[in-house]
Amino acid sequence: DTGVSQDPRHKITKRGQNVTFRCDPISEHNRLYWYRQTLGQGPEFLTYFQNEAQLEKSRLLSDRFSAERPKGSFSTLEIQRTEQGDSAMYLCASSLVGGGANEQFFGPGTRLTVL
Amino acid sequence: GENVEQHPSTLSVQEGDSAVIKCTYSDSASNYFPWYKQELGKRPQLIIDIRSNVGEKKDQRIAVTLNKTAKHFSLHITETQPEDSAVYFCAATSSVRSARQLTFGSGTQLTVLP
Repeated sequence: DTGVSQDPRHKITKRGQNVTFRCDPISEHNRLYWYRQTLGQGPEFLTYFQNEAQLEKSRLLSDRFSAERPKGSFSTLEIQRTEQGDSAMYLCASSLVGGGANEQFFGPGTRLTVL
Repeated sequence: GENVEQHPSTLSVQEGDSAVIKCTYSDSASNYFPWYKQELGKRPQLIIDIRSNVGEKKDQRIAVTLNKTAKHFSLHITETQPEDSAVYFCAATSSVRSARQLTFGSGTQLTVLP
Protein backbone atom coordinates (compact mmCIF):
# COMPACT_ATOMS: atom_id res chain seq x y z
CA ASP A 1 0.00 0.00 0.00
CA THR A 2 1.57 3.25 -1.11
CA GLY A 3 -0.91 5.53 0.65
CA VAL A 4 -0.63 7.33 3.97
CA SER A 5 -0.63 4.94 6.90
CA GLN A 6 -1.24 5.55 10.58
CA ASP A 7 -0.67 3.49 13.66
CA PRO A 8 -2.43 2.54 15.83
CA ARG A 9 -5.88 2.69 14.30
CA HIS A 10 -7.55 2.77 17.69
CA LYS A 11 -6.29 3.79 21.11
CA ILE A 12 -8.17 3.67 24.38
CA THR A 13 -6.46 5.28 27.33
CA LYS A 14 -7.23 6.57 30.78
CA ARG A 15 -7.28 10.25 31.57
CA GLY A 16 -3.84 11.48 32.50
CA GLN A 17 -1.91 8.95 30.45
CA ASN A 18 0.39 9.84 27.56
CA VAL A 19 -0.23 8.53 24.05
CA THR A 20 1.80 8.62 20.85
CA PHE A 21 0.59 8.16 17.30
CA ARG A 22 2.61 7.52 14.17
CA CYS A 23 2.05 8.62 10.60
CA ASP A 24 3.89 7.37 7.52
CA PRO A 25 3.24 9.69 4.58
CA ILE A 26 3.37 8.85 0.92
CA SER A 27 7.03 8.51 0.09
CA GLU A 28 8.55 11.60 -1.56
CA HIS A 29 5.80 13.82 -0.11
CA ASN A 30 7.54 16.70 1.59
CA ARG A 31 4.59 18.11 3.53
CA LEU A 32 2.87 16.35 6.38
CA TYR A 33 -0.19 17.60 8.23
CA TRP A 34 -1.99 16.60 11.40
CA TYR A 35 -5.71 17.23 11.73
CA ARG A 36 -8.23 16.40 14.43
CA GLN A 37 -11.79 15.37 13.63
CA THR A 38 -14.58 15.12 16.15
CA LEU A 39 -17.91 13.46 15.51
CA GLY A 40 -20.05 15.32 13.02
CA GLN A 41 -17.38 17.87 12.16
CA GLY A 42 -14.82 18.38 9.44
CA PRO A 43 -11.13 17.89 10.16
CA GLU A 44 -9.42 20.79 11.96
CA PHE A 45 -5.81 21.68 11.29
CA LEU A 46 -3.33 21.08 14.12
CA THR A 47 0.16 21.42 12.66
CA TYR A 48 2.28 20.78 9.60
CA PHE A 49 5.82 19.93 8.59
CA GLN A 50 7.77 20.72 5.51
CA ASN A 51 10.42 18.05 5.45
CA GLU A 52 11.62 17.86 9.06
CA ALA A 53 10.73 21.42 10.03
CA GLN A 54 7.53 22.10 11.94
CA LEU A 55 6.45 25.38 10.42
CA GLU A 56 3.03 26.12 11.80
CA LYS A 57 0.86 25.18 14.73
CA SER A 58 -2.81 25.85 15.30
CA ARG A 59 -4.06 27.42 18.49
CA LEU A 60 -5.84 24.09 18.97
CA LEU A 61 -2.45 22.54 19.69
CA SER A 62 -2.03 23.04 23.42
CA ASP A 63 1.32 22.58 25.14
CA ARG A 64 0.30 19.01 25.99
CA PHE A 65 0.63 18.18 22.30
CA SER A 66 3.95 17.74 20.56
CA ALA A 67 4.73 16.57 17.07
CA GLU A 68 7.97 15.54 15.44
CA ARG A 69 9.19 14.51 12.04
CA PRO A 70 12.83 13.76 12.79
CA LYS A 71 14.08 12.66 9.39
CA GLY A 72 11.52 14.25 7.19
CA SER A 73 9.73 10.95 6.66
CA PHE A 74 7.37 9.56 9.33
CA SER A 75 5.89 11.77 12.03
CA THR A 76 4.73 11.23 15.59
CA LEU A 77 2.09 13.11 17.55
CA GLU A 78 2.27 12.81 21.32
CA ILE A 79 -0.42 13.90 23.73
CA GLN A 80 0.64 14.19 27.35
CA ARG A 81 -1.73 14.01 30.32
CA THR A 82 -4.69 13.15 28.13
CA GLU A 83 -8.09 14.66 28.88
CA GLN A 84 -11.53 13.44 27.90
CA GLY A 85 -11.78 16.36 25.48
CA ASP A 86 -8.88 14.90 23.53
CA SER A 87 -11.11 12.06 22.36
CA ALA A 88 -11.26 12.39 18.58
CA MET A 89 -10.00 10.99 15.32
CA TYR A 90 -6.46 12.16 14.58
CA LEU A 91 -5.81 12.30 10.87
CA CYS A 92 -2.53 12.65 9.08
CA ALA A 93 -2.24 13.91 5.52
CA SER A 94 0.64 14.40 3.15
CA SER A 95 1.22 16.39 0.01
CA LEU A 96 3.92 17.18 -2.48
CA VAL A 97 4.50 20.86 -2.84
CA GLY A 98 5.65 22.12 -6.17
CA GLY A 99 4.08 23.05 -9.47
CA GLY A 100 1.08 24.53 -7.67
CA ALA A 101 -0.17 21.19 -6.41
CA ASN A 102 -2.19 21.30 -3.23
CA GLU A 103 -3.75 17.85 -3.05
CA GLN A 104 -3.59 16.37 0.41
CA PHE A 105 -3.94 12.63 0.84
CA PHE A 106 -5.28 11.42 4.15
CA GLY A 107 -4.44 8.42 6.23
CA PRO A 108 -7.08 6.22 7.89
CA GLY A 109 -6.73 8.03 11.19
CA THR A 110 -6.16 7.04 14.79
CA ARG A 111 -9.30 7.06 16.88
CA LEU A 112 -8.47 8.09 20.44
CA THR A 113 -10.85 7.43 23.31
CA VAL A 114 -9.94 8.89 26.68
CA LEU A 115 -11.85 7.32 29.55
CA GLY B 1 -8.51 33.19 9.23
CA GLU B 2 -10.58 31.28 6.73
CA ASN B 3 -14.10 30.17 7.58
CA VAL B 4 -16.02 27.67 5.46
CA GLU B 5 -19.73 27.09 5.85
CA GLN B 6 -21.46 24.10 4.28
CA HIS B 7 -25.13 23.37 3.63
CA PRO B 8 -27.17 21.30 3.99
CA SER B 9 -25.94 19.18 6.89
CA THR B 10 -28.07 16.25 5.72
CA LEU B 11 -29.44 15.45 2.29
CA SER B 12 -31.59 12.53 1.16
CA VAL B 13 -32.27 11.86 -2.50
CA GLN B 14 -33.80 9.09 -4.50
CA GLU B 15 -31.46 6.95 -6.55
CA GLY B 16 -31.01 8.53 -9.95
CA ASP B 17 -31.76 12.06 -8.77
CA SER B 18 -29.18 14.84 -8.48
CA ALA B 19 -27.62 16.14 -5.28
CA VAL B 20 -26.20 19.59 -4.70
CA ILE B 21 -24.07 20.67 -1.75
CA LYS B 22 -23.09 24.29 -1.27
CA CYS B 23 -20.22 25.97 0.54
CA THR B 24 -19.20 29.55 1.17
CA TYR B 25 -15.78 30.81 2.21
CA SER B 26 -14.60 34.03 3.77
CA ASP B 27 -10.99 34.54 2.70
CA SER B 28 -10.71 36.10 -0.74
CA ALA B 29 -7.13 34.79 -0.94
CA SER B 30 -8.35 31.17 -1.04
CA ASN B 31 -7.67 29.69 -4.43
CA TYR B 32 -7.97 25.93 -4.11
CA PHE B 33 -11.21 24.14 -3.24
CA PRO B 34 -11.23 20.35 -2.83
CA TRP B 35 -14.15 18.09 -2.02
CA TYR B 36 -13.66 14.99 0.08
CA LYS B 37 -15.90 11.97 0.51
CA GLN B 38 -15.74 10.13 3.81
CA GLU B 39 -17.47 6.83 4.29
CA LEU B 40 -18.19 5.65 7.81
CA GLY B 41 -14.99 4.73 9.60
CA LYS B 42 -12.80 5.49 6.60
CA ARG B 43 -10.37 8.19 5.56
CA PRO B 44 -11.47 11.32 3.68
CA GLN B 45 -10.85 10.78 -0.02
CA LEU B 46 -10.45 13.53 -2.56
CA ILE B 47 -13.14 13.25 -5.22
CA ILE B 48 -12.74 16.50 -7.14
CA ASP B 49 -11.09 19.86 -6.74
CA ILE B 50 -11.13 23.23 -8.44
CA ARG B 51 -8.71 26.10 -8.61
CA SER B 52 -9.74 29.73 -8.70
CA ASN B 53 -8.72 30.22 -12.31
CA VAL B 54 -11.65 28.11 -13.54
CA GLY B 55 -15.37 28.32 -12.92
CA GLU B 56 -16.40 24.71 -13.39
CA LYS B 57 -14.88 21.27 -13.50
CA LYS B 58 -16.50 17.93 -14.31
CA ASP B 59 -15.50 14.34 -13.76
CA GLN B 60 -18.11 11.87 -14.95
CA ARG B 61 -21.12 12.25 -12.63
CA ILE B 62 -19.45 14.83 -10.40
CA ALA B 63 -19.04 18.53 -11.06
CA VAL B 64 -17.91 21.50 -9.03
CA THR B 65 -18.69 25.13 -9.72
CA LEU B 66 -16.97 28.17 -8.27
CA ASN B 67 -18.18 31.75 -7.99
CA LYS B 68 -15.23 33.81 -6.81
CA THR B 69 -17.20 37.03 -6.62
CA ALA B 70 -19.77 35.55 -4.29
CA LYS B 71 -17.20 33.33 -2.58
CA HIS B 72 -19.15 30.16 -2.95
CA PHE B 73 -18.65 26.81 -4.56
CA SER B 74 -20.90 23.82 -5.04
CA LEU B 75 -20.69 20.09 -5.61
CA HIS B 76 -23.13 18.51 -8.03
CA ILE B 77 -23.65 14.77 -8.24
CA THR B 78 -25.90 13.51 -11.02
CA GLU B 79 -27.55 10.11 -11.40
CA THR B 80 -26.89 9.32 -7.76
CA GLN B 81 -26.28 5.74 -6.71
CA PRO B 82 -26.51 4.09 -3.27
CA GLU B 83 -22.70 3.93 -3.13
CA ASP B 84 -22.64 7.74 -3.23
CA SER B 85 -24.03 7.67 0.33
CA ALA B 86 -21.35 9.18 2.58
CA VAL B 87 -20.34 12.40 4.30
CA TYR B 88 -19.02 15.03 1.90
CA PHE B 89 -16.72 17.81 3.04
CA CYS B 90 -15.80 20.94 1.18
CA ALA B 91 -12.56 22.72 1.99
CA ALA B 92 -10.60 25.78 1.04
CA THR B 93 -7.01 26.88 1.16
CA SER B 94 -4.68 29.42 -0.33
CA SER B 95 -1.31 28.90 -1.93
CA VAL B 96 -0.25 32.23 -0.51
CA ARG B 97 -0.54 30.85 3.00
CA SER B 98 2.66 29.20 4.06
CA ALA B 99 1.00 26.15 5.53
CA ARG B 100 -1.66 25.67 2.86
CA GLN B 101 -3.69 23.91 5.50
CA LEU B 102 -7.21 23.03 4.52
CA THR B 103 -10.16 24.65 6.27
CA PHE B 104 -13.09 22.27 6.11
CA GLY B 105 -16.82 22.75 6.17
CA SER B 106 -18.85 20.84 8.73
CA GLY B 107 -19.91 18.14 6.26
CA THR B 108 -23.05 16.93 4.51
CA GLN B 109 -24.43 13.48 5.17
CA LEU B 110 -25.76 12.33 1.81
CA THR B 111 -28.14 9.39 1.76
CA VAL B 112 -29.18 7.92 -1.57
CA LEU B 113 -32.37 5.93 -1.18
CA PRO B 114 -32.75 2.89 -3.45
